[in-house]
Amino acid sequence: DIQMTQSPSSLSASVGDRVTITCRASQGISNYLAWFQQKPGKAPKSLIYAASTLQSGVPSKFSGSGSGTHFTLTISSLQPEDFAIYYCQQYNSYPRTFGRGTKVEVK
Amino acid sequence: QVQLVQSGAEVKKPGASVKVSCKASGYTFTGYYIHWVRQAPGQGLEWMGWINPHSGDTNYAQTFLGRVTMTRDTSVSTAYMELRRLRSDDSAVYYCARDAHLVPFDYWGQGTLVTVSS
Repeated sequence: DIQMTQSPSSLSASVGDRVTITCRASQGISNYLAWFQQKPGKAPKSLIYAASTLQSGVPSKFSGSGSGTHFTLTISSLQPEDFAIYYCQQYNSYPRTFGRGTKVEVK
Repeated sequence: QVQLVQSGAEVKKPGASVKVSCKASGYTFTGYYIHWVRQAPGQGLEWMGWINPHSGDTNYAQTFLGRVTMTRDTSVSTAYMELRRLRSDDSAVYYCARDAHLVPFDYWGQGTLVTVSS
């Protein structure tokens, strides 16, 4: 199975900050990497797929990059609605595997 | 608009079975795979498997082989996930999600809480 390692596991940030989350795959997955946002009590929401393609309706403050084994999710200017848990997921092969999540909290 | 609406919360005893439904609307049901993902309380996301609503083909995570069955009824655009021989550590929120192969999990159901307790 491909292991997905996210870092940090949590971070504290202020409104307006630029935030970057990293996801590493245990083996190469090309660009088959997706990012999801989850708020308490809600289903995950798709943000990015193919490592850098924004899902329809997702604001451009979110961006993704990377290929192979190293990927990043960046939020350019953190807003109150962005405080949540973010997960990466590889869909290069089965079983589909997720990172353990990064919790973005208010500083 | 695309919607996946899941059945309501369940409370089951250890050893019992649970069957969760996921009703699709707003798109051609047979055109997209349905995946199931679960999330234990305070934990991350765990992929369980998929079903191809067109063919009925399935693919299950090794963890659940022998205990899970995914089915569908195209006449009502609904996918089902049955988990058998429930244990306390199966207590979780179970989600269905639509998958377009190269656009994974673009829509999710609202989740179904399954509680396993004696």
